[in-house]
Amino acid sequence: DGGITQSPKYLFRKEGQNVTLSCEQNLNHDAMYWYRQDPGQGLRLIYYSQIVNDFQKGDIAEGYSVSREKKESFPLTVTSAQKNPTAFYLCASSRQLSNYGYTFGSGTRLTVV
Amino acid sequence: KQEVTQIPAALSVPEGENLVLNCSFTDSAIYNLQWFRQDPGKGLTSLLLIQSSQREQTSGRLNASLDKSSGRSTLYIAASQPGDSATYLCAVIIALNAGNNRKLIWGLGTSLAVNP
Repeated sequence: DGGITQSPKYLFRKEGQNVTLSCEQNLNHDAMYWYRQDPGQGLRLIYYSQIVNDFQKGDIAEGYSVSREKKESFPLTVTSAQKNPTAFYLCASSRQLSNYGYTFGSGTRLTVV
Repeated sequence: KQEVTQIPAALSVPEGENLVLNCSFTDSAIYNLQWFRQDPGKGLTSLLLIQSSQREQTSGRLNASLDKSSGRSTLYIAASQPGDSATYLCAVIIALNAGNNRKLIWGLGTSLAVNP
């Protein structure tokens, strides 16, 4: 079955450490997205990519970085510059123009220890 | 600025009831509206996608309607079951910039508990 795979499910980060969250899709979708979810807040867009080798900042890109070297993969790195990284991170994908809606992964919960 | 509001924030009903979840948005210039379900600690599952030209979509016991002119959508759940307990999120899809990019604007969700 086609879908989006996020790994790991749980991730722990020490102070000053960079960590990378994986997102892989086999839906042949062109566009991929990273969202952050915090209690009591709506989902917020971190980065998005419409095509390979191109990506754009979303609403809260500071302290995060991404790459899009393959159509299927859109990893997110949470850098030490992100001062409050504890959150639930969701990856999504869609066809171009999004007339077919969005598909989400199962999420990664990142905790700072 | 597009804002999405979901009412009520929480709802508790006995099993078997028909119920309505509400979603309102401030700007009618949307491409689509999508309803999602989220179980605790899990990702989002798409329930229904309504194109801007459509009035409603149905899937099993779920029916979603869209009235762009009034900025409203409702999600109707018939004969609710304990397995329907989850948070239901509404998102409108708008233009991100002058190109083909789109963006989701989210409500905060309705937390539903269906009691046996």
